[in-house]
Amino acid sequence: DAGVTQSPTHLIKTRGQQVTLRCSPKSGHDTVSWYQQALGQGPQFIFQYYEEEERQRGNFPDRFSGHQFPNYSSELNVNALLLGDSALYLCASSLYLASAKNIQYFGAGTRLSVL
Amino acid sequence: AQTVTQSQPEMSVQEAETVTLSCTYDTSENNYYLFWYKQPPSRQMILVIRQEAYKQQNATENRFSVNFQKAAKSFSLKISDSQLGDTAMYFCAFMKYGGGTSYGKLTFGQGTILTVHP
Repeated sequence: DAGVTQSPTHLIKTRGQQVTLRCSPKSGHDTVSWYQQALGQGPQFIFQYYEEEERQRGNFPDRFSGHQFPNYSSELNVNALLLGDSALYLCASSLYLASAKNIQYFGAGTRLSVL
Repeated sequence: AQTVTQSQPEMSVQEAETVTLSCTYDTSENNYYLFWYKQPPSRQMILVIRQEAYKQQNATENRFSVNFQKAAKSFSLKISDSQLGDTAMYFCAFMKYGGGTSYGKLTFGQGTILTVHP
């Protein structure tokens, strides 16, 4: 049973560029959440997708956008990259049901470096 | 808005000993979930233990147990018989109850680096 997979594992971009990160949820899961984790800090919630719609959003600018596909996989897009966008980006999947016990399962993340 | 505070940036413990990690939170919600996640150097966040706020009984998972004090808004993690593999960053996290659905967002603390020494 495959867990949450993210690609790529590491990415280097320059300021002003655009980046797309990808996530495949755990088998059977239908909800994907994205988090940004700066070095030495706790993850910060970016947004969550269910049924191909953004359901919740954290305090991130519109430069951060996402998409969920019919197979439940998801993409995180960041436009006009800033140095401060350098971080580990974590994807988490879960089930959109009360019986799912609200547990989110995480991938190993994508390390984004902006130069 | 919810906040989660972990006041211990770093902790260390000898193998086979017991260690307790502290966490406090602030919320006006009555129904919520609390979690402890560990993040080893491999970066993958792994769920350690989960507590439902409406349950008075403290959660336990093998060597891991919590002390949940709802009135004090405190949620500490006790690790018994510490093992070298327990070395990791530990995060306390809060999730508001989603009213029957699982769409809640996690609010994390700043983390505590735990080192287990042989």
